[in-house]
Amino acid sequence: DAGVTQSPTHLIKTRGQQVTLRCSPKSGHDTVSWYQQALGQGPQFIFQYYEEEERQRGNFPDRFSGHQFPNYSSELNVNALLLGDSALYLCASSGGWGSNQPQHFGDGTRLSIL
Amino acid sequence: SQQGEEDPQALSIQEGENATMNCSYKTSINNLQWYRQNSGRGLVHLILIRSNEREKHSGRLRVTLDTSKKSSSLLITASRAADTASYFCATVTTDSWGKLQFGAGTQVVVTP
Repeated sequence: DAGVTQSPTHLIKTRGQQVTLRCSPKSGHDTVSWYQQALGQGPQFIFQYYEEEERQRGNFPDRFSGHQFPNYSSELNVNALLLGDSALYLCASSGGWGSNQPQHFGDGTRLSIL
Repeated sequence: SQQGEEDPQALSIQEGENATMNCSYKTSINNLQWYRQNSGRGLVHLILIRSNEREKHSGRLRVTLDTSKKSSSLLITASRAADTASYFCATVTTDSWGKLQFGAGTQVVVTP
């Protein structure tokens, strides 16, 4: 039973570029959330997708956008990259929108901005 | 600002000792969860405690919740070197399903 998988594991970009990160949820899960974790900090909620729609959004600018596909996989897109976007980006999945279920996390994508 | 804040920021103990870390939060919650993160890896869910519960156990882990004080504690008994990790509390508020709000974490080092 595969858990949450993310790709790529590492990525190096320069300021102003655009990046797409990908996530496949755990089998049986239909809700995907994205988090940004700066070094030495706790994860910060970016947004959450269910039924291919963004259901909740954290305090992140419009440069951060996402998508969920019919197979429940998801993408996170970041435009006009800034140095401050350097972080570990974590994807988490859970089953059943609105249920009190814990989230399962992938190992993340380490994004470095030069 | 973050919803949850852990205390202490760092903890160093020897194998066999107990480790206790605390979490305080600001607004009413639906549930509170504890996660573990090994260096450079994703987060692993440990325990979920609902707002109407006061204590939960899972193996060597014990979590308490005091909603009147808006605080929770995680106790790891008989710690092992493999328990070395960062531990985070995360809250889910009553008006925000599924949105985990994390604290900055407690870094625990267990030496053999």
